[in-house]
Amino acid sequence: NAGVTQTPKFQVLKTGQSMTLQCAQDMNHEYMSWYRQDPGMGLRLIHYSVGAGITDQGEVPNGYNVSRSTTEDFPLRLLSAAPSQTSVYFCASSRTTGGNNSPLHFGNGTRLTVT
Amino acid sequence: GNSVTQMEGPVTLSEEAFLTINCTYTATGYPSLFWYVQYPGEGLQLLLKATKADDKGSNKGFEATYRKETTSFHLEKGSVQVSDSAVYFCALTVNTGTASKLTFGTGTRLQVTL
Repeated sequence: NAGVTQTPKFQVLKTGQSMTLQCAQDMNHEYMSWYRQDPGMGLRLIHYSVGAGITDQGEVPNGYNVSRSTTEDFPLRLLSAAPSQTSVYFCASSRTTGGNNSPLHFGNGTRLTVT
Repeated sequence: GNSVTQMEGPVTLSEEAFLTINCTYTATGYPSLFWYVQYPGEGLQLLLKATKADDKGSNKGFEATYRKETTSFHLEKGSVQVSDSAVYFCALTVNTGTASKLTFGTGTRLQVTL
């Protein structure tokens, strides 16, 4: 059971480039989400999805797009990378809505540097 | 809005020392409280949780009690080990009925030395 798989583990982009961070889970979880982790700020929610075809914005959605065409996959797209998007990105999933009785399962993260 | 405040780290302890990591919160509604742990190079893992006042969550020797009167959820362990070195995140969620989302604290790094 692989759990939540994120690729790539590391990425360096130049300002203005675009890329997609991949996230896949094999646990048939309904809920998937993307967080970014920055020093001194903890984790902040970017976008989330409660099921295939449904996405919504989190706390810091600007500059990012998501889609959920299947239950398993939840890619995060950076349309035009900026240095402010240098961060560690975590994908997380849970059986239902990530609440009381359905803990989040995290991937190992993608470390992104934008120069 | 919802927020979580954790004590700043890093916290450096000798093996077998007693650990306390403070966590306080503000929430609109009645939150559930969590501690997550992040080991080096890995994602976060749920360590323990409590869903109502006076509940005590426990796991791997760690404990935390949901104190509504002081809006706190402090993490404790009686005797830490080197393998406990990690970053610890306090978090809360308030179920809105649609999608509940975790609000995290900034994390506290624990370093345990021999």
